[in-house]
Amino acid sequence: NAGVTQTPKFQVLKTGQSMTLQCAQDMNHEYMSWYRQDPGMGLRLIHYSVGAGITDQGEVPNGYNVSRSTTEDFPLRLLSAAPSQTSVYFCASSYYGTGDNEQFFGPGTRLTVL
Amino acid sequence: AQTVTQSQPEMSVQEAETVTLSCTYDTSESNYYLFWYKQPPSRQMILVIRQEAYKQQNATENRFSVNFQKAAKSFSLKISDSQLGDTAMYFCAFMKPSGSARQLTFGSGTQLTVLP
Repeated sequence: NAGVTQTPKFQVLKTGQSMTLQCAQDMNHEYMSWYRQDPGMGLRLIHYSVGAGITDQGEVPNGYNVSRSTTEDFPLRLLSAAPSQTSVYFCASSYYGTGDNEQFFGPGTRLTVL
Repeated sequence: AQTVTQSQPEMSVQEAETVTLSCTYDTSESNYYLFWYKQPPSRQMILVIRQEAYKQQNATENRFSVNFQKAAKSFSLKISDSQLGDTAMYFCAFMKPSGSARQLTFGSGTQLTVLP
């Protein structure tokens, strides 16, 4: 099992550029989510999905789009990057349902927007 | 909405000593889950310990244990026999037991440094 994988590990963008952060998991998890981590603020939820074709917004969704066409993949799109989106991005996955289903995190992507 | 507060941005402890990290939270839920995550310099998020609010017994995982005070909405992490590998950022997190959003609400973190 590779677990949760994220690509790229590092990325530098110019303001206004677009890009997609990739996330994949091989654990057949229904629930997948994206967080961003900023200094002094912990991790905040951007978007999440409870299954293929189903997505919803989290706490800080503005400037980001997601889609879920398969169980395995959950890409995060930045349509027009802004310096405020400079952050570390984490993808996470878990089984979906009641209980303390452990969320497994990817290694993160460090994004810098100039 | 839930909030999680970690009031200690940085802490240090001597190797082999014991240290306690504090966490308080605010919620109107009666059942929920609480977690401590460790983030070493590698950036990987690692689950350290979890606690269900309905369970009165405090969770323990080897050198890690929690002091869960439901009425006070307090969830502290005790690390015994601290090791150099425990140096990391520690995050306290809250999760509802059910519902469409299995999101974790995180505190701002405590940077722990274990000194040789």
